Amino acid sequence: SQQGEEDPQALSIQEGENATMNCSYKTSINNLQWYRQNSGRGLVHLILIRSNEREKHSGRLRVTLDTSKKSSSLLITASRAADTASYFCATDKDSSYKLIFGSGTRLLVRP
Amino acid sequence: DTAVSQTPKYLVTQMGNDKSIKCEQNLGHDTMYWYKQDSKKFLKIMFSYNNKELIINETVPNRFSPKSPDKAHLNLHINSLELGDSAVYFCASSQDPAGKTQYFGPGTRLLVL
Repeated sequence: SQQGEEDPQALSIQEGENATMNCSYKTSINNLQWYRQNSGRGLVHLILIRSNEREKHSGRLRVTLDTSKKSSSLLITASRAADTASYFCATDKDSSYKLIFGSGTRLLVRP
Repeated sequence: DTAVSQTPKYLVTQMGNDKSIKCEQNLGHDTMYWYKQDSKKFLKIMFSYNNKELIINETVPNRFSPKSPDKAHLNLHINSLELGDSAVYFCASSQDPAGKTQYFGPGTRLLVL
């Protein structure tokens, strides 16, 4: 069964605004990752946060993880039209080699 | 200099045919994966190989058979194609199986008519 659920399913913002996407999962995890998928392309890894970390930054990306709530958020600051893509969270569970992907958030950044 | 490559990029075929998709990675990774992405963008793991050994085999019809001739290649053969097999199939690789970053290929868009 699907491990992660993203919220919202779709998000439309103006260039320059911040975009926040949320991911909830069901079981304990080792790591949580965020990936981006541009239309018609493969997924690209953005950032990985370990279960013992609470926040991580990479450029304009900020990821938080709340293991008590089994949720994570991805914040993209000062969005650009090129950020238009689908964003997926992916978790790997204890003692499992599998990455389980969420349902994705489709982000549209309007120029 | 492509890291993970797949061929073909597009595949249109008739129901009942047998087809293969090939994947190669030049990253020196030990682990490779096949995923299926449906029309709703839901991405699901199908198989994973680590050093040519099968380590993940999800509930996939046995019409799907992966084959890893060496750790840089993972091919997917599909027998007796059905309409429901239409999807985008992604190959990916990682340094090892343990929840590491995965690198995805560009995908193979399969349409079964």
